[in-house]
Amino acid sequence: KQEVTQIPAALSVPEGENLVLNCSFTDSAIYNLQWFRQDPGKGLTSLLLIQSSQREQTSGRLNASLDKSSGRSTLYIAASQPGDSATYLCAVNSGGGADGLTFGKGTHLIIQP
Amino acid sequence: GAVVSQHPSWVICKSGTSVKIECRSLDFQATTMFWYRQFPKQSLMLMATSNEGSKATYEQGVEKDKFLINHASLTLSTLTVTSAHPEDSSFYICSARGGRVVNEQFFGPGTRLTVL
Repeated sequence: KQEVTQIPAALSVPEGENLVLNCSFTDSAIYNLQWFRQDPGKGLTSLLLIQSSQREQTSGRLNASLDKSSGRSTLYIAASQPGDSATYLCAVNSGGGADGLTFGKGTHLIIQP
Repeated sequence: GAVVSQHPSWVICKSGTSVKIECRSLDFQATTMFWYRQFPKQSLMLMATSNEGSKATYEQGVEKDKFLINHASLTLSTLTVTSAHPEDSSFYICSARGGRVVNEQFFGPGTRLTVL
């Protein structure tokens, strides 16, 4: 059974800092990995999707990397802003189109103005 | 593109009543839809997978007779919580697979259910 772990569980940093969120998964046989953002009481916003054949994806100030063999992914946020404050979720797709995603518990991020 | 809606966004009901939640893919056909549940300060847990025109597949520990799922068309799936109890209070989120990117899921905004 796939398990996803996110470290740290919570993080508070001053505005402007670059930061890294970590995600690890136990079964390396994945189809893809997604990073999401969730604001309090809200649904999910997809940030980046990395297919199993890819090593990284970039969108604006966000960069996500994937090392499938070691079961790790990182989300790099450059020049953090208060608006980046949210919970960031990592999720893996282990079964292709027929299977749902397995989520980590998330990293609660606070960017101090 | 790839927008998924849910209705209602929140609902409060009395214990013992049934509640139906709709999930719609607005601009693409979703052959597969998923239902997740999120308890406070917890992550999302997959409840069931539904394919258009066939019975849903439930995850271990999820009662299929309590959480009825119907996927009658390629753009609509419904989740009915039957005889709801306070422990069913949760945030229910659906997702739909389809669109241009293979195996990518698009999530709805969620439905907050509170059972009194």
